[in-house]
Amino acid sequence: GDSVTQMEGPVTLSEEAFLTINCTYTATGYPSLFWYVQYPGEGLQLLLKATKADDKGSNKGFEATYRKETTSFHLEKGSVQVSDSAVYFCALSVSEKLVFGKGTKLTVNP
Amino acid sequence: GAVVSQHPSWVICKSGTSVKIECRSLDFQATTMFWYRQFPKQSLMLMATSNEGSKATYEQGVEKDKFLINHASLTLSTLTVTSAHPEDSSFYICSARVYTSGIRNEQFFGPGTRLTVL
Repeated sequence: GDSVTQMEGPVTLSEEAFLTINCTYTATGYPSLFWYVQYPGEGLQLLLKATKADDKGSNKGFEATYRKETTSFHLEKGSVQVSDSAVYFCALSVSEKLVFGKGTKLTVNP
Repeated sequence: GAVVSQHPSWVICKSGTSVKIECRSLDFQATTMFWYRQFPKQSLMLMATSNEGSKATYEQGVEKDKFLINHASLTLSTLTVTSAHPEDSSFYICSARVYTSGIRNEQFFGPGTRLTVL
């Protein structure tokens, strides 16, 4: 079945450090790929998405490229801020349903 | 816009009792709502999909008689955990989706409800 594997956390970085959170997927068909972010006490919010191979999703300085050859959708940000501290979920969708990874908790220290 | 609320945010109940969780779309009408369950350090697992005015579609392994879902209006869906047991303790999250002409559908998530069954 469809599945998403993302790097386990927690990840702790200093402000302005470079961030990479790895995500790989297994899917039948051609999935759309997503990154969601969950700030403390809030619901999941869509951070970015890509719907086909080689698409790059970007938002708030984060970006991820849909790599079909490596079945990956790694999340990157060049310079993290304290306000980026949250849990990040990678997800895929083939039909209407979302399949999530386990989430990676990011803590950014000043 | 596109805010989804859940009530309550947390609930503690005794084993054998039933608990109702509400999911509301506050500023849009949701044709479809989804219910997820999240265990500690685990991913969100889809429990069921509910469409307004029709019966919910449950994922394999989810007991429909235990997790009753009602989607009576375009802004409200409820999940009732019947005869709750300690193993039902979990974080329950709903999402709502709307189809808008020209815009690919997107799910908007509620903040979740922490259920603890003693």
